[in-house]
Amino acid sequence: AQRVTQPEKLLSVFKGAPVELKCNYSYSGSPELFWYVQYSRQRLQLLLRHISRESIKGFTADLNKGETSFHLKKPFAQEEDSAMYYCALGGGADGLTFGKGTHLIIQP
Amino acid sequence: DTGVSQDPRHKITKRGQNVTFRCDPISEHNRLYWYRQTLGQGPEFLTYFQNEAQLEKSRLLSDRFSAERPKGSFSTLEIQRTEQGDSAMYLCASSLPPGTASNEQYFGPGTRLTVT
Repeated sequence: AQRVTQPEKLLSVFKGAPVELKCNYSYSGSPELFWYVQYSRQRLQLLLRHISRESIKGFTADLNKGETSFHLKKPFAQEEDSAMYYCALGGGADGLTFGKGTHLIIQP
Repeated sequence: DTGVSQDPRHKITKRGQNVTFRCDPISEHNRLYWYRQTLGQGPEFLTYFQNEAQLEKSRLLSDRFSAERPKGSFSTLEIQRTEQGDSAMYLCASSLPPGTASNEQYFGPGTRLTVT
């Protein structure tokens, strides 16, 4: 069965500090991993996906198949990064499997 | 095209009533998904369509839940005999098919259902 674990419900860091949001997955096939973000009063939107290997808004995430992880990182947090972040797993014909989300708060 | 739209945005209903939600996807997207999100949880996949064909419905929560996409454009999600446990945000998403260069799922704003 597919499963996504985001161990931190809430993460609070100061502006300018590094950020790492953890995501671990369980999947027997070839996974597609995504990070979605939801800013206050906005809809869920894609932040990045592992196959594109892009850096979006300064965020990066590397798929580690050995550790079954897809942690989201940013070297210097900004106040506008405050949001809910969801890690999601695809790869089959079905919809995405989401983690429970991490609420990131960037303190000034 | 302003993206995926959902109607209504909020619905309050009494236990036992039927409710129907509508989703209008991005016009060129032939895949449409329904998710449910309860408080403190991530979205939970329910069902999806490719054009008018419903390709997965085993994840619908009970036989009280049904979805249609009769002409391959908009979709409806119906919940019959609502229960208090059905209170949640219902999200719709659409995408191009897998294998397309950009097949990310675009989400709508959701319909918040409250069952009293």
